[in-house]
Amino acid sequence: GAVVSQHPSRVICKSGTSVKIECRSLDFQATTMFWYRQFPKQSLMLMATSNEGSKATYEQGVEKDKFLINHASLTLSTLTVTSAHPEDSSFYICSARENSVGYEQYFGPGTRLTVT
Amino acid sequence: AQSVTQLDSQVPVFEEAPVELRCNYSSSVSVYLFWYVQYPNQGLQLLLKYLSGSTLVKGINGFEAEFNKSQTSFHLRKPSVHISDTAEYFCAVSVGGNTGKLIFGQGTTLQVKP
Repeated sequence: GAVVSQHPSRVICKSGTSVKIECRSLDFQATTMFWYRQFPKQSLMLMATSNEGSKATYEQGVEKDKFLINHASLTLSTLTVTSAHPEDSSFYICSARENSVGYEQYFGPGTRLTVT
Repeated sequence: AQSVTQLDSQVPVFEEAPVELRCNYSSSVSVYLFWYVQYPNQGLQLLLKYLSGSTLVKGINGFEAEFNKSQTSFHLRKPSVHISDTAEYFCAVSVGGNTGKLIFGQGTTLQVKP
């Protein structure tokens, strides 16, 4: 089956630094990847949609300059949290969509970001 | 605009009992519906999906769901739960068009007790 990986699984960083999270589709090509944020005991909130070779589309209220998304290839998208603050601490999950197949998204295992 | 409502935030149930997790959606267009399961500190795993065809959809781990267009519901059921089914369950609807964007419900915590 389709597998999506994320790296790192956990990261702790100091306030003011930047952190990069990678999302990879391991056995399929993903023209579209999605980035979600999940607070404890809450649902997933879509942050942005990332299409290979083009700029990401951000959801309303998400700061594009703070959450930089790059989808450089059909198997890799990155999310960089710039100048991180404690309120950015969260569980970040990516998903990847195979080319127009069944509207199904395959989810990565998530990255737990803690900003101290 | 589409929305998804999961009517129960927590559902406690004893092992081997049946369970139903409720999901209602609102949409003015045709939708695709999904149920995902999330174990602690993990990503989401697809349980089942409804795209078209038969309204009764069977998924993994013995789960099934029924699409009811008139009631705009997509309730998830399992006839006999196991301790290992304890997890968070999310209902989701795909936004119209080819964007692939998903809108998630608030989630339901299934707590299976021995």
